Amino acid sequence: EAGVAQSPRYKIIEKRQSVAFWCNPISGHATLYWYQQILGQGPKLLIQFQNNGVVDDSQLPKDRFSAERLKGVDSTLKIQPAKLEDSAVYLCAGSTGTYNEQFFGPGTRLTVL
Amino acid sequence: AQTVTQSQPEMSVQEAETVTLSCTYDTSESDYYLFWYKQPPSRQMILVIRQEAYKQQNATENRFSVNFQKAAKSFSLKISDSQLGDAAMYFCSQGAQKLVFGQGTRLTINP
Repeated sequence: EAGVAQSPRYKIIEKRQSVAFWCNPISGHATLYWYQQILGQGPKLLIQFQNNGVVDDSQLPKDRFSAERLKGVDSTLKIQPAKLEDSAVYLCAGSTGTYNEQFFGPGTRLTVL
Repeated sequence: AQTVTQSQPEMSVQEAETVTLSCTYDTSESDYYLFWYKQPPSRQMILVIRQEAYKQQNATENRFSVNFQKAAKSFSLKISDSQLGDAAMYFCSQGAQKLVFGQGTRLTINP
């Protein structure tokens, strides 16, 4: 069984530039999560999808971050424009249900200069 | 508000010995789940163990077990017979609809 795929693995951009991350969860995982993990901290949930609908985006900075999961499978997270404080690892995870084990991808390490 | 606190930023243990990682949480929910996840260096986060809050019996997975004290809102992880491959960041998390993670504990195994 293939795991959670994320790309790119690393990205370096200048502040005020835009960036997009892609995630493809394990087949059949209807629930998809995007987390932000700042160095030395635990993951913080940015947005949670159930199929192609948003369940929770209360911690998503909506003035600069956006995410979509149009067909209920893969998902894209975008930052526009990026700030220095956005430097972090962005983790994608999927699960078969809210209370079930989450399967994480390898993450995208973003550096904003 | 949901909070999860891991008071031990770093722990170390001798190989083959037992170590306990602490976690406390706060929630207003009555039905929720608790998890310990492991994040090895440069590798993906994986689930170690899961506990349903409505179950009084502590969860066990091979060398990993938890001490769940619901009234005290405490959820510690015990690793028995520690192995070199157990070295990682360990994150405690709690939630129902949404998971909140603690800051993590870095576990080092000394050979």
